Amino acid sequence: QSALTQPPSASGSPGQSVTISCTGTSSDVGGYNYVSWYQQHPDKAPKLMIYEVSKRPSGVPDRFSGSKSGNTASLTVSGLQVEDEADYYCSSYVGSNNVVFGGGTKLTVL
Amino acid sequence: QVQLQESGPGLVKPSETLSLTCTVSGGSLSHSYWTWIRQAPEKGLEWIGYIYYTGSTTYNSSLKSRVTISVDTSKNQFSLKLTSVTVADTAVYYCARDRAAAGKLDYWGQGTLVTVSS
Repeated sequence: QSALTQPPSASGSPGQSVTISCTGTSSDVGGYNYVSWYQQHPDKAPKLMIYEVSKRPSGVPDRFSGSKSGNTASLTVSGLQVEDEADYYCSSYVGSNNVVFGGGTKLTVL
Repeated sequence: QVQLQESGPGLVKPSETLSLTCTVSGGSLSHSYWTWIRQAPEKGLEWIGYIYYTGSTTYNSSLKSRVTISVDTSKNQFSLKLTSVTVADTAVYYCARDRAAAGKLDYWGQGTLVTVSS
């Protein structure tokens, strides 16, 4: 399966909102409501931020939200904070118990 | 609180077999899908595959011919074997728990760097 498509970079100023896209096909993102988003700080393991398109695990601030339209999923970070600067990865179920990740987006807080 | 810890050699020679173990503490292996993911230097995440606690497995099709994931419920461990490695297999290898076999990876190990080099 091919990796999902994410923009290599995104940026915003503290307090602003930024949206990161994750584009797939009808066989993955568009076909299932099983899109997850992960935050990864340098030299750290990824952390689950969103699952099943828009659900937040306990402890994740509500500044993080997820949505999906057709074959594209999105992660929105509102009220940007300095500590939000990290790499973000999406993933999607692709059927037959397989999962695929996006290429990752580096979020810079200016 | 579930914790995962990867262990295994940090250096493997080309053509040999990479072997890693993930030890799970703070919970049992039951009713979860235990997953391996890797990340080559300066690259993105790659899903390798997972094993259900009953022993059934699913692998990334691009690695399927070289990958075996096994589980030892008595030790609360699961393992990864990757055969015929090349320098392209150099990566940080993570183990993680997936509650739903759909990419909801809620607990991760810290990761272990495996370098393939002669």
